[in-house]
Amino acid sequence: GAGVSQTPSNKVTEKGKYVELRCDPISGHTALYWYRQSLGQGPEFLIYFQGTGAADDSGLPNDRFFAVRPEGSVSTLKIQRTERGDSAVYLCASGTRSEQFFGPGTRLTVL
Amino acid sequence: LAKTTQPISMDSYEGQEVNITCSHNNIATNDYITWYQQFPSQGPRFIIQGYKTKVTNEVASLFIPADRKSSTLSLPRVSLSDTAVYYCLVGERAQNTDKLIFGTGTRLQVFP
Repeated sequence: GAGVSQTPSNKVTEKGKYVELRCDPISGHTALYWYRQSLGQGPEFLIYFQGTGAADDSGLPNDRFFAVRPEGSVSTLKIQRTERGDSAVYLCASGTRSEQFFGPGTRLTVL
Repeated sequence: LAKTTQPISMDSYEGQEVNITCSHNNIATNDYITWYQQFPSQGPRFIIQGYKTKVTNEVASLFIPADRKSSTLSLPRVSLSDTAVYYCLVGERAQNTDKLIFGTGTRLQVFP
């Protein structure tokens, strides 16, 4: 069956711009996770959804980052006023807390 | 939060057994320990999960001591295609929630 998909695969933007990153989880998975992975490092937890609600957003670095999942399936990670330090691969996963299925990620580059 | 640490890198030869240890001193009481494999430009891929003692599946074994402050991923008879970065993932005790923390990652290089 289809796995987790993320779009776009690559996004290049300029400092100060707004970006949206999309995640399509595996059908039927109620839990959805967002992570950020910088070069040479492990993924860093950002936010976790259970259904439509954010069950844990403690990993969001600041209020420029926001995520939604209005219908309990597709999720969008939104970053306002992007900074060069936001450059990373943004990973999405669905499944259970102890068995997550990851998408290929969106590589965000902020110039 | 205490870091969840792993050796930076390991080298092995085809056919050997590889053991990768993750130290997680601040693991949450109720959380499982999960291990993932990651190839370049791909998302992590689930390998195995466990709560305590030993778990084995078709690709790996996971050893967890009674205090659960560490875990060891064992890959039997590695092949060239096992060259990848391996991460442990645990929940660590935090103020209001158990926060998901990936380990620092171990880069495994398998030689012919």
